[in-house]
Amino acid sequence: SQTIHQWPATLVQPVGSPLSLECTVEGTSNPNLYWYRQAAGRGLQLLFYSVGIGQISSEVPQNLSASRPQDRQFILSSKKLLLSDSGFYLCAWRIAGVPYEQYFGPGTRLTVT
Amino acid sequence: QKEVEQDPGPLSVPEGAIVSLNCTYSNSAFQYFMWYRQYSRKGPELLMYTYSSGNKEDGRFTAQVDKSSKYISLFIRDSQPSDSATYLCAMSRDDKIIFGKGTRLHILP
Repeated sequence: SQTIHQWPATLVQPVGSPLSLECTVEGTSNPNLYWYRQAAGRGLQLLFYSVGIGQISSEVPQNLSASRPQDRQFILSSKKLLLSDSGFYLCAWRIAGVPYEQYFGPGTRLTVT
Repeated sequence: QKEVEQDPGPLSVPEGAIVSLNCTYSNSAFQYFMWYRQYSRKGPELLMYTYSSGNKEDGRFTAQVDKSSKYISLFIRDSQPSDSATYLCAMSRDDKIIFGKGTRLHILP
């Protein structure tokens, strides 16, 4: 069966510090991968998605970036965190060609102080 | 105009009541229409999906899509305290799923 891992579960970082969140998927090949941020009052915001290794599409510019170094690994990064980066970050995967179901990871709650 | 609009609530109803949750959308390119349920501090999980206009029923849940009005609904019959959660409508186009803000639902015992 498929499993998605995300870590860390919680993170408290000062403004200006770097960020690296990692997501890995097990039990499937060539999944579509997604990073979302959920902040109070703003819903589930799509940040990045990837349909293959090295292929990243950005929905939100600013100070975040994403990379997919391996088929089932998706990394969200920032060089300098802002207060507005606080939120609940969710990684998700989807079988390519199945447009209605995404499977979400447990999420990382990030607080920037 | 946002692609998907959803009233965030919160919505509080007594146990046993019928719940109606709604979303509107602006993009005619959306192909699949979904409802996800999210419990506190967890990721969302798919509840139901539909492709065409009309109704789809699954137990106590009914999803309704009206493409002509760009309007979708989720009805919950005989609501239970365990139905208390955030319900997000979602719609797919291309390789993406676009979510509404979610409606927080409280079922009062």
